Amino acid sequence: DGGITQSPKYLFRKEGQNVTLSCEQNLNHDAMYWYRQDPGQGLRLIYYSQIVNDFQKGDIAEGYSVSREKKESFPLTVTSAQKNPTAFYLCASRHRTDSPLHFGNGTRLTVT
Amino acid sequence: EDQVTQSPEALRLQEGESSSLNCSYTVSGLRGLFWYRQDPGKGPEFLFTLYSAGEEKEKERLKATLTKKESFLHITAPKPEDSATYLCAVQAGGGAQKLVFGQGTRLTINP
Repeated sequence: DGGITQSPKYLFRKEGQNVTLSCEQNLNHDAMYWYRQDPGQGLRLIYYSQIVNDFQKGDIAEGYSVSREKKESFPLTVTSAQKNPTAFYLCASRHRTDSPLHFGNGTRLTVT
Repeated sequence: EDQVTQSPEALRLQEGESSSLNCSYTVSGLRGLFWYRQDPGKGPEFLFTLYSAGEEKEKERLKATLTKKESFLHITAPKPEDSATYLCAVQAGGGAQKLVFGQGTRLTINP
């Protein structure tokens, strides 16, 4: 079955450490996205990529970094510069701009 | 600025009690409005896409409608398994690449 796989499901880190969240898709989609979800807020866009080796900042990119070396993979690194990293992180992909996003099942990151 | 507002924030219904969720939007050149269902601890699951005013889509007990300013998600005779958070999102035109999401409506159906 085609889909998006995020790992791990839960991640715990100490403050000051960088951490990388994995996102893999086998839908053959060109565009991939990272969103952050906090209680009571809508999903906020962190980064997106429309093609391999190219990506753009979203609305809340500070303290995050990404890479897109393969079409299938779009890992997100949460750096120590991110002031409030504890959140639910969602990866998504889609075929074209007016297509719906397909989401993974998220990674819940807790930083203490 | 593109904006999406969903109401109510939370809604509690008895099983079989029909109701509607609202999604109001302001966007430059709507290219699509999307409804998703999200269960706790899971990613959003796609339900419907609406592209133009007057369009309607149906799936089981859910029906989505679209006007030039808002969309409604009507739920008819809901069951407890319909309990979830429902998210609305819009895709603007003009080369915009992101979906803008509302905060969601948390729906609880009591047996």
